[in-house]
Amino acid sequence: SQTIHQWPATLVQPVGSPLSLECTVEGTSNPNLYWYRQAAGRGLQLLFYSVGIGQISSEVPQNLSASRPQDRQFILSSKKLLLSDSGFYLCAWRMSGLSAEAFFGQGTRLTVV
Amino acid sequence: DAKTTQPPSMDCAEGRAANLPCNHSTISGNEYVYWYRQIHSQGPQYIIHGLKNNETNEMASLIITEDRKSSTLILPHATLRDTAVYYCIVRVSNTDKLIFGTGTRLQVFP
Repeated sequence: SQTIHQWPATLVQPVGSPLSLECTVEGTSNPNLYWYRQAAGRGLQLLFYSVGIGQISSEVPQNLSASRPQDRQFILSSKKLLLSDSGFYLCAWRMSGLSAEAFFGQGTRLTVV
Repeated sequence: DAKTTQPPSMDCAEGRAANLPCNHSTISGNEYVYWYRQIHSQGPQYIIHGLKNNETNEMASLIITEDRKSSTLILPHATLRDTAVYYCIVRVSNTDKLIFGTGTRLQVFP
C-alpha cells in the first residue's frame, strides 16, 4: 500500500533562518506531488506541484522554493523565513489521470518567531 | 479554471443526513468533482469523487446534477466525528493542479 511521510510535525524557527521540509511517498512510482499551505482558519493554498523529477510548477510568488531530487521525494525550502511564512504545510500525492484522488500527509505546523 | 463555491458553514443534528452543496458552473466535460474533508489540524481526507453519475461509498453519497453545474455530498447519518471542513474541488483542465476553495465548515451537534 502507498504511504506518505512528512516531517517534522511541528517546527519553530526564527525570522531569517532557512527552512527545509521533506516529504516522501512509498509504494508507488512517478506520482504527482504537491505542497499546500494553510494559514490559521483559512483554506488550502497550492504552493507547488510536480509531475516528475526536476519538474516544479510554482503557483504563488513567494519566499519559498521546491525541489524534487528523486521520484518520490519533494522538498520545500526557504533561504530566509518571514513571519508570514507561518502556517500548516501539507504535502500530497496522486497518480496522474483524470480521476485519481489525492492523499495527504499529516502536515507540518511551522511557526516563525 | 473550473471553480467551486460552497456555503461557509452548516449545522446538522447527530443522526440526521447532512447535505452539503457545491456549485461548479464552469466545469468542463471531462473534469471530475472531488470531495475531501479536513478535521482540525490534520491533512485532508479523500471522501468521494464523480463525473456524471451519482456515486456512493462507505462514507458518503455524491449527487451530481444532470447539467453537472452543481453537486451535493450526503452524509446519511451524521455523527459528531463528521464535524470538519468539507472541500469540493475540481481538477483544473489539462493540468494536474488541484485547487481547494475555502470549504464548508460542518458542525454536527448532539
